[in-house]
Amino acid sequence: EVQLVESGGGLVQPGMSLRLSCAASGFVFDDYGMHWVRQSPGKGLEWIAGLNWKSSIVGYADSVKGRFIISRDNAKKSLFLQMNSLRAEDAALYYCAKDLTAGISPVSDHWGQGTQVTVSS
Amino acid sequence: QSVLTQPPSVSEAPRQRVTISCSGSNSNIGSNSVNWYQQVPGKAPKLLIYYDDLLSSGVSDRFSGSKSGTSASLAISGLQSEDEGDYYCAAWDDSLNGVVFGVGTKLTVL
Repeated sequence: EVQLVESGGGLVQPGMSLRLSCAASGFVFDDYGMHWVRQSPGKGLEWIAGLNWKSSIVGYADSVKGRFIISRDNAKKSLFLQMNSLRAEDAALYYCAKDLTAGISPVSDHWGQGTQVTVSS
Repeated sequence: QSVLTQPPSVSEAPRQRVTISCSGSNSNIGSNSVNWYQQVPGKAPKLLIYYDDLLSSGVSDRFSGSKSGTSASLAISGLQSEDEGDYYCAAWDDSLNGVVFGVGTKLTVL
């Protein structure tokens, strides 16, 4: 059974940093691309970053480009999101999602339950 | 503001059929496939339809997808109360070089 478990969320002040993690199991992690998708309270889904199986192709939404860094450790079957210079508008539930392919595509066939990030002073 | 436009809400009676539209442009739907997700309250999104019209594993065949030009549709037949939730379309956008989601459509089964 595919499992994606996010962690690392919490309350952080504006301008500070936070690192999210996603532990994967139940599939061959280094065969698939991975994504971070967020959802602000009462709002829709927003793709924020994705990378392919070997991290050679990486993409970011304009809203986080230059502030967030997505990475993966295939040996540890883990996905990460380093979030710097956090803003109030970054507050959201952050989902880790598995791509159907080895690349970056809009098809995510498995999702974690999310980790909550709150940005407030 | 999303580049994929969806109606904010739709409603229909049980056992009836409903469609949800998703309108985009040449840089996304017009040149790439469309995918649909269901999100019930308090849960993570679930893939329903991918590559325009392929049914994701384990998804009921009451769900179907189609695309024409720069628009796509999700149809749900034989509506059930468990179908209530939010539905999102998603596609790759060549101009933004990333994944774009629709704003979401809330389905209410009357």
